[in-house]
Amino acid sequence: DAGVIQSPRHEVTEMGQEVTLRCKPISGHDYLFWYRQTMMRGLELLIYFNNNVPIDDSGMPEDRFSAKMPNASFSTLKIQPSEPRDSAVYFCASSQLNTGELFFGEGSRLTVL
Amino acid sequence: DQQVKQNSPSLSVQEGRISILNCDYTNSMFDYFLWYKKYPAEGPTFLISISSIKDKNEDGRFTVFLNKSAKHLSLHIVPSQPGDSAVYFCAARERTGKLIFGQGTTLQVKP
Repeated sequence: DAGVIQSPRHEVTEMGQEVTLRCKPISGHDYLFWYRQTMMRGLELLIYFNNNVPIDDSGMPEDRFSAKMPNASFSTLKIQPSEPRDSAVYFCASSQLNTGELFFGEGSRLTVL
Repeated sequence: DQQVKQNSPSLSVQEGRISILNCDYTNSMFDYFLWYKKYPAEGPTFLISISSIKDKNEDGRFTVFLNKSAKHLSLHIVPSQPGDSAVYFCAARERTGKLIFGQGTTLQVKP
């Protein structure tokens, strides 16, 4: 079975532009997580879903960030408008029955100029 | 406020010696603790875990110790190998299912 698939792998954009990151979780997994990796805070949880329903979005830094999961096989994380401080690697992860053993994608490296 | 902390950003050890990575947490309600390993340009991968009702779990060269009274856990790698060089993240799970990670420790194992 394919792992968690994220796109794009790299994104370079200018301040003020909209950014959309995409994730396809592992089939059969009912939890999906979005994390952001920074040097200062490590892996920071932004939001997670259970059965496509957002459970905890307290980690979403600002209203500029939004996430959706329209179905069990797809999720998006959108930043609008983007700012240079949003530059980071964004990871999507999925798990089954929330065992804690998350399977991560390869990440999307975002650079906002 | 960081509920899970890895206070050592980096660690360097000689091949064949023991590597000890440390992690502290503040929330006594965490029910599960995990360690993840991350290579550059890849996502983190699960390494080993321990339930809050246990104090030790061993898997080959990797052992995780949990000291609940001190709210501290550690990962021991014996013997360390150059291929173990990576970033190691400690994570703790809340009963709600939320998984909180530390900042990571970069381990370098020198040949």
